[in-house]
Amino acid sequence: DQQVKQNSPSLSVQEGRISILNCDYTNSMFDYFLWYKKYPAEGPTFLISISSIKDKNEDGRFTVFLNKSAKHLSLHIVPSQPGDSAVYFCAASPTSGTYKYIFGTGTRLKVLA
Amino acid sequence: EAGVTQFPSHSVIEKGQTVTLRCDPISGHDNLYWYRRVMGKEIKFLLHFVKESKQDESGMPNNRFLAERTGGTYSTLKVQPAELEDSGVYFCASSQTMGTEAFFGQGTRLTVV
Repeated sequence: DQQVKQNSPSLSVQEGRISILNCDYTNSMFDYFLWYKKYPAEGPTFLISISSIKDKNEDGRFTVFLNKSAKHLSLHIVPSQPGDSAVYFCAASPTSGTYKYIFGTGTRLKVLA
Repeated sequence: EAGVTQFPSHSVIEKGQTVTLRCDPISGHDNLYWYRRVMGKEIKFLLHFVKESKQDESGMPNNRFLAERTGGTYSTLKVQPAELEDSGVYFCASSQTMGTEAFFGQGTRLTVV
C-alpha cells in the first residue's frame, strides 16, 4: 500500500506560468516532507522541504504548502522555466525510527517555451 | 566538496551472477541510505546506516542482498545471486543528521538478463 501518492504522472505548463504539483499521504506520523527534482540519468536533487509545524515554506520560485488535515502537500513553481522540466518526487519522513524517506512515484513536469 | 558518488554507473549481468555496488557518501555524513527504483515506479527505501551500524534494513527485499559499511565510510551493496526482478536503478544517499535532507548519488543502473 503506497503511503505517498502523486496521482498525476505528468504535467505540462507554459513558460512563465505557475506549475502546481500535488502529493497526498496516508500516514499521520509523517512530520517532514521534501520535494526532489530528478533529471534523466541523474540522482534526485533536493529542492525544498517543510516540517509539519509549518504550513508554508518558500525558497525563491519554489513554495511548498502543507495541509495536515487533508494530508496533502503541493509544490508551486512560479514562474516556470524550461529548465524546470524534470521528474519531481514528493517524499515524507516518519516521526520516529530512522527517518527513512517514503517517496511517491513522481510527476514529470514539462515546461513549454 | 564532492557529492555522493556511486560505482559503477551501469552494470549488466546475467541471472545468477553476483554484483557489488559501491557508494561513497559526502565526507562527514554519518547517515547513509540505499534506495531502489524499479521500472519507473517510486523510489523505495532499502536500508539505513548510521556510521557502520545498520539502523534500519526493513526495506531489503530478501537475503540475496547484503549491505556493508565497514569503518563507517563507503558502503557496498552486494546482490548474490542476482535475479531478473533485481533490475532497476540503485541510489545511495547521505545526510549529516537524521531528519534533514539527504543528498543522492547519480545511481547505478543494474540490468539482470
